Parts: sequence; structure tokens; C-alpha cells
Amino acid sequence: QQQVKQSPQSLIVQKGGISIINCAYENTAFDYFPWYQQFPGKGPALLIAIRPDVSEKKEGRFTISFNKSAKQFSLHIMDSQPGDSATYFCAASKMSGGSQGNLIFGKGTKLSVKP
Amino acid sequence: DVKVTQSSRYLVKRTGEKVFLECVQDMDHENMFWYRQDPGLGLRLIYFSYDVKMKEKGDIPEGYSVSREKKERFSLILESASTNQTSMYLCASSPPAQFGGAFFGQGTRLTVV
Repeated sequence: QQQVKQSPQSLIVQKGGISIINCAYENTAFDYFPWYQQFPGKGPALLIAIRPDVSEKKEGRFTISFNKSAKQFSLHIMDSQPGDSATYFCAASKMSGGSQGNLIFGKGTKLSVKP
Repeated sequence: DVKVTQSSRYLVKRTGEKVFLECVQDMDHENMFWYRQDPGLGLRLIYFSYDVKMKEKGDIPEGYSVSREKKERFSLILESASTNQTSMYLCASSPPAQFGGAFFGQGTRLTVV
């Protein structure tokens, strides 16, 4: 019930291409879905987040697509750049009730964008 | 900008030592968290605190304890360090859940020898 499954584990994309990372969750009580970006030697940084009242959220080249019925959400990086090379984590949490705010993370996707 | 500061970037400790990892946040956040990060396992929650002197166990609390005497400071304690606690430790803080996600420190790479 608490798991968040993330795929793929690693991803290689050519510069200018689209990077797509997928996540699936089990607990229907989750109502906040952030994505974090982590560069080597740094802590994860909040990239973009979505709540289940919308099916898509876009910020610059980054888009989250959310499918509530399938319990899936994905990150799309348009026009991928070498500077996007990092590890990406999806996460899920509850905004109310017990354990609110506790983020359950996927295992991460290492993205490499080739010049 | 939110700042979460962990006291050490790198630590090397001996087996059996008592280890303290300190974390301070400057945004008056109610919630604070300790995670450990291991390759292939992602981030796993050790303990969290939603108020001063309050703490709750996360998914992997065994071998760890925490202390939160002041709102801005959350300490992780390894009572008797073991080699399987060699890991990257990440502290995070967040406002009340309905206002969004957590902000992380830069991490402490702990090696237990």
C-alpha cells in the first residue's frame, strides 16, 4: 500500500529529445505527487509537483501527467539538455491525516542526456 | 530560499561509536525528516518529527534515534554505529503538508569502518 514504483532505472536520451519517467502508486490516500532532481553530491531538489485535481502540470520544459484511475504519473522533459543529466525521484504523500507530509519515494531514474 | 543545513558533508566513524548527525532549517517548518539513501534503494524514511519533542518512526528506525529539542534542529543518533549503516543521510524539512513538499539538505556521507 505504501510503495511507489518508478521506471526505468536508467535512461539515455539524445540532446533535444524527450525524456519520460513513469511512476505508479498503490495507496489511494496519496494526494500530492512531487518530482525531485538530484545532482551528484547534492541533496534532492523539488522540481515540480501535482495534485490529483488536475491531469497535467507544466513548468518550462518539465511536465507532469497524472492518471488518477490508473494510479500513475509521469515526468516528461522536453528538449532534453546535457544539464538535465541527474537522478530523478518521484514521490507521493498525503496532505492530511496520519503520516501527512511523509514522502514515499520511488527508487530513482538516472538520466543521461548525450550531446 | 529555504535552507536546510547538515553539520557535516563527510564523516568516518568506527564500529560501536555513538554518532550524531545534526540538521538545522531556517524556515520555521513544523515537519522535519531523516532519510537514508542507498544505490538502488532510493530514499528510505528513518524518523520524522512534526513538532518539538515529537517523533515518529519511519520505515527503517532500527539502530537509530532522534532528538528535536528546538523547532529548527533535528538530530539523528546512531547509538552504536555498524558497517551496515554506511550510507548517505539526508535531512529534510517541510511546511504543513497541504502547502507542499520537502526541502533537503546537502547530505552527510557516513562511512563506518
